[in-house]
Amino acid sequence: DTGVSQDPRHKITKRGQNVTFRCDPISEHNRLYWYRQTLGQGPEFLTYFQNEAQLEKSRLLSDRFSAERPKGSFSTLEIQRTEQGDSAMYLCASSLQGSGANVLTFGAGSRLTVL
Amino acid sequence: AQSVTQPDIHITVSEGASLELRCNYSYGATPYLFWYVQSPGQGLQLLLKYFSGDTLVQGIKGFEAEFKRSQSSFNLRKPSVHWSDAAEYFCAVGMDSSYKLIFGSGTRLLVRP
Repeated sequence: DTGVSQDPRHKITKRGQNVTFRCDPISEHNRLYWYRQTLGQGPEFLTYFQNEAQLEKSRLLSDRFSAERPKGSFSTLEIQRTEQGDSAMYLCASSLQGSGANVLTFGAGSRLTVL
Repeated sequence: AQSVTQPDIHITVSEGASLELRCNYSYGATPYLFWYVQSPGQGLQLLLKYFSGDTLVQGIKGFEAEFKRSQSSFNLRKPSVHWSDAAEYFCAVGMDSSYKLIFGSGTRLLVRP
């Protein structure tokens, strides 16, 4: 198992463009999370899937953001009409339900820079 | 609302010296507590966790942390710091169902040779 994989690792885009990030969780993990981390801050929760169902979305996740996990495996996070304030590291994590208190395993992140 | 406070933004220690990173949380029930470490360009790696039982927990890389309910604290310690420990450290609290974590703002550790 190679852990949680995220792609791309870095993305530079112009304001107004759309971007999509992909996350491949640990294969047996049924829970998947997206977090956003800005410079000098800790990660902030964005959204959470259990299998293919999106069970919670933070109010940080504006209408321009959409996340999917169509087959309960990989997930995508799309940001439409990017703004400079969207510049951040987007972290994906996964965990296994039923393994006691949730222990999240994080990917290396996708860093977004909006010019 | 649940929250985590890491009062030290930066800490500098000499290699071989002891280390303590502070973490205070706000949560009504017994929390699940975690320490993660993040090196530049890397994701977060779990150092240790507390769920219940012994309030002194051991983690990887020689780190330990102590849960003190009366002080709402979960401080991270290491008796002798190595240069490779330079990184950013995050404390996090999980709730009963614990499907998400609330993170502190982190403490950046610098190690002097």
